[in-house]
Amino acid sequence: ELVLTQSPGTLSLSPGERATLSCRASQSLSINYLGWYQQKPGQAPRLLIYGASSRATGIPDRFSASGSGTDFTLTISRLEPEDFAVYYCQQSGNSPYSFGQGTKLEIK
Amino acid sequence: QVQLVESGGGLVKPGGSLRLSCAASGFSFSDHYMSWIRQAPGKGLEWISYISSSSGTFFYADSVEGRFTISRDNAKNSLYLQMNSLTAEDTAVYYCVRTARRLDYWGQGTLVAVSS
Repeated sequence: ELVLTQSPGTLSLSPGERATLSCRASQSLSINYLGWYQQKPGQAPRLLIYGASSRATGIPDRFSASGSGTDFTLTISRLEPEDFAVYYCQQSGNSPYSFGQGTKLEIK
Repeated sequence: QVQLVESGGGLVKPGGSLRLSCAASGFSFSDHYMSWIRQAPGKGLEWISYISSSSGTFFYADSVEGRFTISRDNAKNSLYLQMNSLTAEDTAVYYCVRTARRLDYWGQGTLVAVSS
């Protein structure tokens, strides 16, 4: 079973700062099957990134992502107030499909 | 625009059953895999089941295998989840999600609470 481990668990930053979130897979994963999602309280998750680095429709370009193999990164270049949320990585390349445990991005 | 609307959630006693429905619109439902993903209160996301576009392929997480059954009716643009032998650990918001290599559209979720 492929396990995704996200770090840090909580990230405290201020608006305008840069955020770097990590997702590590327990075994090598095709980039085609790695996604990132944002979830705000009381809302469904929203797709941000698919294929490890492609932004979904309507996602601002301050969101970028990269990685391959077992190490993947989501970067938010300049935090806006609306970016403070929980972020999940997700893989659909190995069954059972899975999510990381999430990184909470909170206002410092 | 793509819309996914779940229904059928509610309060059920341990050992009981519930059937969730998801009404899809705004896209060619019969062309897409669909999934159910759940989130327990204050917890992360768990992918519990998916079904292929033609209902020929299924996936179930170990946590629900043998108790939950996913199905779809392409003529009605609808996805279903039959949940039997429910326990407190099944308490969660259940999301209906359009599924490709990515989970690109999510419903708003329906809450299932299992309690005596």
